Amino acid sequence: QQPVQSPQAVILREGEDAVINCSSSKALYSVHWYRQKHGEAPVFLMILLKGGEQKGHDKISASFNEKKQQSSLYLTASQLSYSGTYFCGTGRVSGNTPLVFGKGTRLSVIA
Amino acid sequence: DVKVTQSSRYLVKRTGEKVFLECVQDMDHENMFWYRQDPGLGLRLIYFSYDVKMKEKGDIPEGYSVSREKKERFSLILESASTNQTSMYLCASSSSKYGYTFGSGTRLTVV
Repeated sequence: QQPVQSPQAVILREGEDAVINCSSSKALYSVHWYRQKHGEAPVFLMILLKGGEQKGHDKISASFNEKKQQSSLYLTASQLSYSGTYFCGTGRVSGNTPLVFGKGTRLSVIA
Repeated sequence: DVKVTQSSRYLVKRTGEKVFLECVQDMDHENMFWYRQDPGLGLRLIYFSYDVKMKEKGDIPEGYSVSREKKERFSLILESASTNQTSMYLCASSSSKYGYTFGSGTRLTVV
């Protein structure tokens, strides 16, 4: 079942912060986050595994709450280069299961 | 640098034609996937493969088949193309614990 992302779209000014949420109705083992710029392939940002961890990646970080079956992506002090569509992909068991992706959140950062 | 290469960036085919979309990865990954991406629907899984000559149906396999004769190559076949198969097709590969690497995509138009 497809995870639900919110918001669907957000517009930020440079330097502002944003949070993108990803929720599933099923128990999760892993959550992946990807960013896709217009006309390009999705690019892997980070993976979070069962265990409630939080990860950071420059000014982009994410958390995974396995009890609530949700993950959040945090973008701080946004830059123009952060613009794109962000997808979460969820995995339900360990090992080899294909990810189910959300519909995406379109993020636009303006000067 | 890790790469997934899709043979065509743009394709235009006629209704009823048999269409082959090729994908090659140079990372020695076991896992390969085909997704289609449509506006507002996100990425939906068509087929995947965890090993040579192995294939599994994804969420929307109807009208498609796949072939994996070599580890590095995963082909998507549209047996008889229809206009509702007009879409962006994304190939991806991964090893079991890491993120997906996507190809640049093939934008297929069926007329």
